Amino acid sequence: GESVGLHLPTLSVQEGDNSIINCAYSNSASDYFIWYKQESGKGPQFIIDIRSNMDKRQGQRVTVLLNKTVKHLSLQIAATQPGDSAVYFCAETLRGQNFVFGPGTRLSVLP
Amino acid sequence: DGGITQSPKYLFRKEGQNVTLSCEQNLNHDAMYWYRQDPGQGLRLIYYSQIVNDFQKGDIAEGYSVSREKKESFPLTVTSAQKNPTAFYLCASTQSRGNTIYFGEGSWLTVV
Repeated sequence: GESVGLHLPTLSVQEGDNSIINCAYSNSASDYFIWYKQESGKGPQFIIDIRSNMDKRQGQRVTVLLNKTVKHLSLQIAATQPGDSAVYFCAETLRGQNFVFGPGTRLSVLP
Repeated sequence: DGGITQSPKYLFRKEGQNVTLSCEQNLNHDAMYWYRQDPGQGLRLIYYSQIVNDFQKGDIAEGYSVSREKKESFPLTVTSAQKNPTAFYLCASTQSRGNTIYFGEGSWLTVV
């Protein structure tokens, strides 16, 4: 099947480096944000989430930062591995209604 | 294993034909959704259902229909009225409002 995200911005990083993927969200009232990873031809996988009463949340090798002042969300991946290559996109919602998804960024990990 | 199962993975539709995409979840989630994904675009909502026997149109409902006769099932029919149906279709579900939305593995629909 045709790969989704053919015309997405691409971030290329060396294996072992840290990656930072950014997302600008649209609704200043949104109270919950999610980052997803989508491999070619597959459904999106949940990576990490954050609520609007926080500005940082850490998971295993991933960190999400939320800047409500400028409506900006970022995903940091530490020690990027080849298996991290995928499209990453953010989602925002207000009270679990009307999820809005960004178009995504393609992460390419170079050997 | 708990999850969302979509079938078929690949489907080909002839002009003027209706096709139905299946979505089943065993997560005991109340809400279910159908999204369409096109290259370079964010997910767009087709239909959603918060409860059995009730569903609402999303942003791009024209040419699509759904049913929610059972909590675990939310099939999507792509009708002949949908003029550009070639896309990747994703089914999703949430337990309740304010919770993470989880996705199935998607179905590719191509018009031949």
